[in-house]
Amino acid sequence: QSALTQPASVSGSPGQSITISCTGTSSDVGAYNYVSWYQQHPGKAPKVIIYDVSERPSGVSNRFSGSKSGNTASLTISGLQAEDEADYYCCSHAGRDTYVFGSGTKVTVL
Amino acid sequence: EVQLVESGGGLVQPGGSLRLSCAASGFTFSSYWMTWVRQAPGKGLEWVANINQDGNRKVYADSVKGRFTISRDNAKNSLYLQVNSLSVEDTAVFFCARFALRAHHMDVWGKGTTVTVSS
Repeated sequence: QSALTQPASVSGSPGQSITISCTGTSSDVGAYNYVSWYQQHPGKAPKVIIYDVSERPSGVSNRFSGSKSGNTASLTISGLQAEDEADYYCCSHAGRDTYVFGSGTKVTVL
Repeated sequence: EVQLVESGGGLVQPGGSLRLSCAASGFTFSSYWMTWVRQAPGKGLEWVANINQDGNRKVYADSVKGRFTISRDNAKNSLYLQVNSLSVEDTAVFFCARFALRAHHMDVWGKGTTVTVSS
């Protein structure tokens, strides 16, 4: 149950697009299309923004999109806005009803 | 309004125990898998444990197996986490969350309760 690997930080200017990677193994990310992404602002609870690799919950901006290739999932934020500055975590089903989170990525809007 | 409210956190000495609670409201609690997720100060999210709708399926992260016990009382719309043999490494905010129906993501989160392990 090792944490999925994410870059510690990603930054971009307003309006730009950024992509956050989430690398796991053939036992978690590579095995299931059950990768979700969570946004967490400081001192707040996480909020799901992507589930099942690329599905967006109702009410989440279409500027957020997800994809997966092999053992690596990705979150793309397009048209970066100041309010997107937050921590982002991926999470994958890892079999037998267990889950593993990513190490987290701090997004900075320059 | 769908809501989860955690309680029971506090300051405890190493080796001590606590019972965390999570009160659910605004939805049919007995229909959902539930989970506990923790976050150490300045660190990332860590999945801790899951429990199914009727409480007969429980799974744990290796880091807490044998020390933590997840349970629920559907009559009281409540989720619990008994945490034993605590060490300083268990200091964290503990969140309870709901899994979306027949899904593999957490769609509702509480605000968390803080557990501090220190002598």
